[in-house]
Amino acid sequence: SVLLYQKPNRDICQSGTSLKIQCVADSQVVSMFWYQQFQEQSLMLMATANEGSEATYESGFTKDKFPISRPNLTFSTLTVNNARPGDSSIYFCSSRDTAGTGQLYFGEGSKLTVL
Amino acid sequence: SQWGEENLQALSIQEGEDVTMNCSYKTYTTVVQWYRQKSGKGPALIILIRSNEREKRSGRLRATLDTSSQSSSLSITGTLATDTAVYFCATDAGTGGYKVVFGSGTRLLVSP
Repeated sequence: SVLLYQKPNRDICQSGTSLKIQCVADSQVVSMFWYQQFQEQSLMLMATANEGSEATYESGFTKDKFPISRPNLTFSTLTVNNARPGDSSIYFCSSRDTAGTGQLYFGEGSKLTVL
Repeated sequence: SQWGEENLQALSIQEGEDVTMNCSYKTYTTVVQWYRQKSGKGPALIILIRSNEREKRSGRLRATLDTSSQSSSLSITGTLATDTAVYFCATDAGTGGYKVVFGSGTRLLVSP
């Protein structure tokens, strides 16, 4: 298994500003995934981030709005640019167990509120 | 759009009752995973069932899979108040099935 730590746990920011969310794994992982979860809704896959390459974004998510960096096998950052109230949600990083069950492991989430 | 964009379904039951949650998925998958998300936490896998299995049990949990109808169910027997959580099914997606996408989810409230 892998443990994922996210920072910050929660943040409040003003519209138009940018916010950075960090994710650290306790062991090396090939891919990290970022999910967005609005209140009372499911998790939406935003992007897949592999070391040293540009993240791959899902429909509805762009690198200009949500740039993701993956400088090494244990670290990733998600930035929310030009934040709007509609970006208020919880953001999760996760990684997949590729050697065993294929399950996802998640961080505890970063709750973003945009005023 | 992604699968699972609807709001959570809500179920409210009494402790000791049995409950079944259903999931219909859209695309081919080799495995259906069921996750439980407690308040303020990330989801955690509770059971998975592969495409060559029709039923899988783990303690009080039972998952079924019908690949012909692309549907799965999760049953919990003898529920406890600690089973209160949101439950999601999830399937493989993308080329090679490496990504995981989530269904719409059920918020289960188990009252003592």
